[in-house]
Amino acid sequence: EAGVAQSPRYKIIEKRQSVAFWCNPISGHATLYWYQQILGQGPKLLIQFQNNGVVDDSQLPKDRFSAERLKGVDSTLKIQPAKLEDSAVYLCASSLGSGSGYTFGSGTRLTVV
Amino acid sequence: AQSVTQLGSHVSVSEGALVLLRCNYSSSVPPYLFWYVQYPNQGLQLLLKYTSAATLVKGINGFEAEFKKSETSFHLTKPSAHMSDAAEYFCAVSEGGNTPLVFGKGTRLSVIA
Repeated sequence: EAGVAQSPRYKIIEKRQSVAFWCNPISGHATLYWYQQILGQGPKLLIQFQNNGVVDDSQLPKDRFSAERLKGVDSTLKIQPAKLEDSAVYLCASSLGSGSGYTFGSGTRLTVV
Repeated sequence: AQSVTQLGSHVSVSEGALVLLRCNYSSSVPPYLFWYVQYPNQGLQLLLKYTSAATLVKGINGFEAEFKKSETSFHLTKPSAHMSDAAEYFCAVSEGGNTPLVFGKGTRLSVIA
């Protein structure tokens, strides 16, 4: 089966600019997650979707981050405006459900300068 | 709320030696537990998972982990390290249902020839 696709792989932007990341999950996976992984740390959940509805966005900095999952398939994560501390790898994952584990994409490495 | 503690941010072993990566968890309900591996510039790959069946779980690449409820531990082992095992390893916990994975900070494994 095809894996979780993410693009772009790398992005360098200046602070205060905006950026968007795209994710295409595994076909049939209803649950989609965006995680932020800062260098030297474990992934931290930003937002969880079930189909096209938000399940958990309690750790999403909503003043600058937004995400959507149109039609319950692809998802986009946006940062506007970016700060230096947003430099991280943004990982998208999808899952069939409880206990089945997640399949992760290769991530997007964002550098804010 | 669930949490994970990985003891040792960096573990170094000789090729052919035993690999032991430690993980302790906190959960208010019987947990689902996972180990993921991350190679440089890649996403996370599932090594193995515990979902309340057998307490000794075998995964890919010769890794296994044992769930010990009394010790709230889920340590990862491999009898003989190979150079290709050098990577970052993450332990993660979920309380099932729609609760997302919570990751530890990771342990970087180095294998010395």
